[in-house]
Amino acid sequence: GDSVTQMEGPVTLSEEAFLTINCTYTATGYPSLFWYVQYPGEGLQLLLKATKADDKGSNKGFEATYRKETTSFHLEKGSVQVSDSAVYFCALSDANTGNQFYFGTGTSLTVIP
Amino acid sequence: KAGVTQTPRYLIKTRGQQVTLSCSPISGHRSVSWYQQTPGQGLQFLFEYFSETQRNKGNFPGRFSGRQFSNSRSEMNVSTLELGDSALYLCASSLDRVTDTQYFGPGTRLTVL
Repeated sequence: GDSVTQMEGPVTLSEEAFLTINCTYTATGYPSLFWYVQYPGEGLQLLLKATKADDKGSNKGFEATYRKETTSFHLEKGSVQVSDSAVYFCALSDANTGNQFYFGTGTSLTVIP
Repeated sequence: KAGVTQTPRYLIKTRGQQVTLSCSPISGHRSVSWYQQTPGQGLQFLFEYFSETQRNKGNFPGRFSGRQFSNSRSEMNVSTLELGDSALYLCASSLDRVTDTQYFGPGTRLTVL
């Protein structure tokens, strides 16, 4: 079945450091891929998405490219800020074969000044 | 456009009681999904409602149930509460299909004593 695997956390970075959070997926069809972010005490917010291979999603300085050949959707940001401290979830959905969203386990990011 | 709203935000119950949580989706969204989030299990899909009918269901016992009204608002009910039901319950709405982009509410934090 469909699934998402995220890198284990927690991740601690200094402000202005480069961020990569790895995400790989397994899917039988051609899924859409998502990154969500959850700030403390809140629900999940959509950060970015990509709906087909080679698409790049971007928002608030974050980017992720849909790589079908490596079944990956890694999240990157060139210079993190303290305000980026949150939990990040990779997710997929497949409109043709799926009946739900599949979420990764989440990666906690702490950015220190 | 107003986002997904959930009420109440916090709830404390004792074992054996029942609880009802409410979710109002984004205007125009007809699909409503419910998730349970715990530190140990992460995000787990409970069920999805569309046009007042349960369309998809996760792997939860029958104590967890829900319904959807004609205005797309949804309620989730948990009967005979157990300590393990303590969690953040998240509601998400999407336009038509559960695999469309999901938009989350802030969640209801349920504590069972």
